Amino acid sequence: QSVLTQLPSASATPGQRVTISCSGSSSSIGTNPVNWYQQHPGTAPKLLIYSNNQRPSGVPDRFSGSKSGTSASLAISGLQSEDEADYYCATWDGSLNGYVFGTATKVTVL
Amino acid sequence: EVQLVESGGGLVQPGGSLRLSCAASGFTFSDYWMDWVRQVPGKGLEWVGQIRNRGVPYTTNYAASVKGRFTISKDDSKSSVFLQMDSLKIEDTAVYYCTRENWYRFDPWGQGTLVTVSS
Repeated sequence: QSVLTQLPSASATPGQRVTISCSGSSSSIGTNPVNWYQQHPGTAPKLLIYSNNQRPSGVPDRFSGSKSGTSASLAISGLQSEDEADYYCATWDGSLNGYVFGTATKVTVL
Repeated sequence: EVQLVESGGGLVQPGGSLRLSCAASGFTFSDYWMDWVRQVPGKGLEWVGQIRNRGVPYTTNYAASVKGRFTISKDDSKSSVFLQMDSLKIEDTAVYYCTRENWYRFDPWGQGTLVTVSS
């Protein structure tokens, strides 16, 4: 079950900035680091941001993450057509003793 | 190159069993915790469970939806992790991914294997 809430969709024109939010609880985001995953149709998810705001090597600096309290955000600046994908937040939930994923946000490049 | 390759998916009847395998390469497999994540086609990601490394040792945790029916095991000598799925239900139909866990993050992911539970 998803206990991290994301808005289902977000859109912007190329070059603009889009922000995706992820809302959790004190036992999830409030306590543990948040990671973000990008998934294009028909492919496996890919790690995009880890430990709230760190980018793995190879991920463009257009992608940035932040966390405050029980919420986290992913921002994509200078939006490009290849950024059109589903984005998931995820973290460990201590009360469930397991990982939880967000409900996903589909980003559309207009 | 770090790589994960799943196998073993297929069609199974409700109440049946299936064993998925995930072969790892390109890293010291015995050092890592490994997880399974599933995705119903067209839906979101759901964590299935994890197995920790020998240092813990090999502790497992499962999502409530599969606890008591699914079992994760690890063979460090073969750099492989397995997901034994018993008492399968129609709602277990999904693409199953294995992934390497490192300090709360999942990276990389396998290509996934489709499990279809249907009569």
